Amino acid sequence: GAVVSQHPSRVICKSGTSVKIECRSLDFQATTMFWYRQFPKQSLMLMATSNEGSKATYEQGVEKDKFLINHASLTLSTLTVTSAHPEDSSFYICSVMIGYGYTFGSGTRLTVV
Amino acid sequence: AQKVTQAQTEISVVEKEDVTLDCVYETRDTTYYLFWYKQPPSGELVFLIRRNSFDEQNEISGRYSWNFQKSTSSFNFTITASQVVDSAVYFCALSEAKGNNDMRFGAGTRLTVKP
Repeated sequence: GAVVSQHPSRVICKSGTSVKIECRSLDFQATTMFWYRQFPKQSLMLMATSNEGSKATYEQGVEKDKFLINHASLTLSTLTVTSAHPEDSSFYICSVMIGYGYTFGSGTRLTVV
Repeated sequence: AQKVTQAQTEISVVEKEDVTLDCVYETRDTTYYLFWYKQPPSGELVFLIRRNSFDEQNEISGRYSWNFQKSTSSFNFTITASQVVDSAVYFCALSEAKGNNDMRFGAGTRLTVKP
């Protein structure tokens, strides 16, 4: 089946630095990828929809200048958390729609200290 | 926009008991897809089932079964003879055919199965 590879699985960074998370579709082309954020003991909240070759669509309340999304190819979308702060510590997970189903990456646990 | 409600925040059962996780959804689209995912402590999402809005047949897969009722906008999930390994957070989700095709999740139900 379709595989989505997400890296890194865990990252610890200092407050004020930036972190890049990659989401790759390994055996198919993905024109659209979705980025979710999950705080501890909460649900997955859609942050943005990443479209290959165009600007991402952000959900209300998500700062596009803080969470930079780049979808430069049909197999790679990146999420960069800029000037990270402790409140950005969360589980970030990407998803790709394949047919009528969805494949998820394994997630990235970000801790900002 | 679509909405998914999982009213049960936490459920605790003893092994071998049956348990039903509720899911109620809202959508204005006539074509939509409903999902259930399991999220163990490791965090990855484990796909359990997908149902499209035109297929109201109930489904059984081993100890798992799903009851889809459009009349009540519900898509409930039952685990029969629960096991400790079933302990996880379970999410119900919905995507609409129109628009972005993005998937919206319910709040999740944390199931604990005690030995």
